[in-house]
Amino acid sequence: QKEVEQNSGPLSVPEGAIASLNCTYSDRGSQSFFWYRQYSGKSPELIMFIYSNGDKEDGRFTAQLNKASQYVSLLIRDSQPSDSATYLCAVTLAGNNRKLIWGLGTSLAVNP
Amino acid sequence: GAVVSQHPSRVICKSGTSVKIECRSLDFQATTMFWYRQFPKQSLMLMATSNEGSKATYEQGVEKDKFLINHASLTLSTLTVTSAHPEDSSFYICSASGGPDTQYFGPGTRLTVL
Repeated sequence: QKEVEQNSGPLSVPEGAIASLNCTYSDRGSQSFFWYRQYSGKSPELIMFIYSNGDKEDGRFTAQLNKASQYVSLLIRDSQPSDSATYLCAVTLAGNNRKLIWGLGTSLAVNP
Repeated sequence: GAVVSQHPSRVICKSGTSVKIECRSLDFQATTMFWYRQFPKQSLMLMATSNEGSKATYEQGVEKDKFLINHASLTLSTLTVTSAHPEDSSFYICSASGGPDTQYFGPGTRLTVL
């Protein structure tokens, strides 16, 4: 079982819709949870991080963490074509020297 | 805030030469820096973790004598690809962490070995 799993997609949504990206993790000791966005040929860009159960909102983005069910999700409201990218979920484990455990990413396409 | 730079952004070299890539945290002190490699259409692969003033920790399968990492200060880490070969051609990306866990990525260096 992979440590961090994401649906590879592509996830296709119309412009203006809500895009929902999901990620599950296997280690209950996971402490910190991150969403990065990566455009083709570019390096990852941090979108959000979340440490505690519940929701965290930042502009059009909302991260949701449910430690009991071991999933973390990212909602993108009012999706724009510029949001089209690969979204990477990553987690850190306790005592792991801050090393991120990465999912393989979900490709999102927002259609005008 | 949390800006990480990398230099050079692109390098083309002949087989057998060595290439040095610099990674700098511009507006924060990075106690830990990470080096990744990414091949086209593949996921990020962590190569090594470096803490300022100590030896880097390499991931399994990464040759430490080929990929030399130096983290001499809280704002600078370097990766040297020694005796580069065409199979080393890849996108090399560094990240820096000032704590607690968040990593900020540099823009990456695209290496092409002829």
